[in-house]
Amino acid sequence: ELTQPPSVSVSPGQTAKISCSGDALSENYAYWYQQKSGQAPVAVIYDDTKRPSGIPQRISGSSSGTMASLTISGAQLEDEAVYYCFSRDIRGRGLFGGGTLLTVL
Amino acid sequence: EVQLAESGGSLIQPGGSLRLSCAASGFSIKNHWMHWVRQAPGKGLEWVSRIKSDGSVTAYADSVEGRFSVSRDNAQNTLYLQMSSLRAEDTAVYYCVRAALLVFDLWGRGTQVTVSS
Repeated sequence: ELTQPPSVSVSPGQTAKISCSGDALSENYAYWYQQKSGQAPVAVIYDDTKRPSGIPQRISGSSSGTMASLTISGAQLEDEAVYYCFSRDIRGRGLFGGGTLLTVL
Repeated sequence: EVQLAESGGSLIQPGGSLRLSCAASGFSIKNHWMHWVRQAPGKGLEWVSRIKSDGSVTAYADSVEGRFSVSRDNAQNTLYLQMSSLRAEDTAVYYCVRAALLVFDLWGRGTQVTVSS
């Protein structure tokens, strides 16, 4: 199981940090997906800290022990979305966190 | 254009069976592990199943183990999900997803499955 806060709210330009905790993270990488309303998810972080091409540098990831975090520095209105962490259990099966709604207002 | 297109979703009664298909275009699925992910109405993402590029290895979430079966036809560039003994809690949009180096890098638009009497 991966646990995320249901919501995070920041003002434009502030830093948003979303946490994800779970035993699976101590053995496997964390991945982060951004899902905007009515759209399919998009990967924003993989292998704990790496950004796919096209993802802005203000989005970063970190991980330590059983906790992973997604940080959005200087959040913008376009960053409003639900963010899901993802990892794998010891049998290699996928695990999504419950999702965190990021509100920028 | 590189894309995934799911089909086969419908309204089905509890206990029924359904087969979803996912047609890939613009790339060959034979080089990729493929996954199914679902999203119930107003809820979060739930990983459902995965299958190795050659079809030799599969895995399932506990919630569908023994009821769902994933398969693929690399020659037809198509992924399948056979669902049986369907329950109300299986109601969701089902996404076909391509994995590249363990990253879900391409998602379909999804197909709606509604289980209701």
